Amino acid sequence: RKEVEQDPGPFNVPEGATVAFNCTYSNSASQSFFWYRQDCRKEPKLLMSVYSSGNEDGRFTAQLNRASQYISLLIRDSKLSDSATYLCVVNFYSGGYNKLIFGAGTRLAVHP
Amino acid sequence: NAGVTQTPKFRVLKTGQSMTLLCAQDMNHEYMYWYRQDPGMGLRLIHYSVGEGTTAKGEVPDGYNVSRLKKQNFLLGLESAAPSQTSVYFCASSYTTTEDYEQYFGPGTRLTVT
Repeated sequence: RKEVEQDPGPFNVPEGATVAFNCTYSNSASQSFFWYRQDCRKEPKLLMSVYSSGNEDGRFTAQLNRASQYISLLIRDSKLSDSATYLCVVNFYSGGYNKLIFGAGTRLAVHP
Repeated sequence: NAGVTQTPKFRVLKTGQSMTLLCAQDMNHEYMYWYRQDPGMGLRLIHYSVGEGTTAKGEVPDGYNVSRLKKQNFLLGLESAAPSQTSVYFCASSYTTTEDYEQYFGPGTRLTVT
């Protein structure tokens, strides 16, 4: 079983749609959670951190359920510029360092 | 402020050849990392460094070596390239101490081993 699992997609949605991505992680000792965005043939960039209380940044809302070991990302009013791969990332301390485990990513394609 | 830079951007090697990938950061970060990204898989950590002069193994270190002689630079070496090392390599850097930190990535190096 992968440590961080995501639906690879692609999710094909029209502009203005609401889309949700899910992610599960296997290590209950995980401490921090993030969503990174990766554009085609580019490097990953931090989109937002995910807190237990849930957090929102404009059109983006992230939720964490520690009991179910589940993270979600909701994008409202999708824009063409949201087309990218979204990486679920989990952090825990192991072997002397903060270890980031990356999911394989969920691809989103927003069309006119 | 260039952030994290990587050279080269592309490279084609023949099996058995060697090469060094260079990563440089100008953010005065203590931590630096080398990852590889393969289709259908998440980024996997090859080696990392918690400061100048120190390096450690990550998840997939076999076939790679690293050096961190200067704080701003982190080198990844392939001594004898194999086709299984065909991948996109990303360098990253970050601050230390807190668990809620951001890793800043370089633009990547696309390596093909034939």
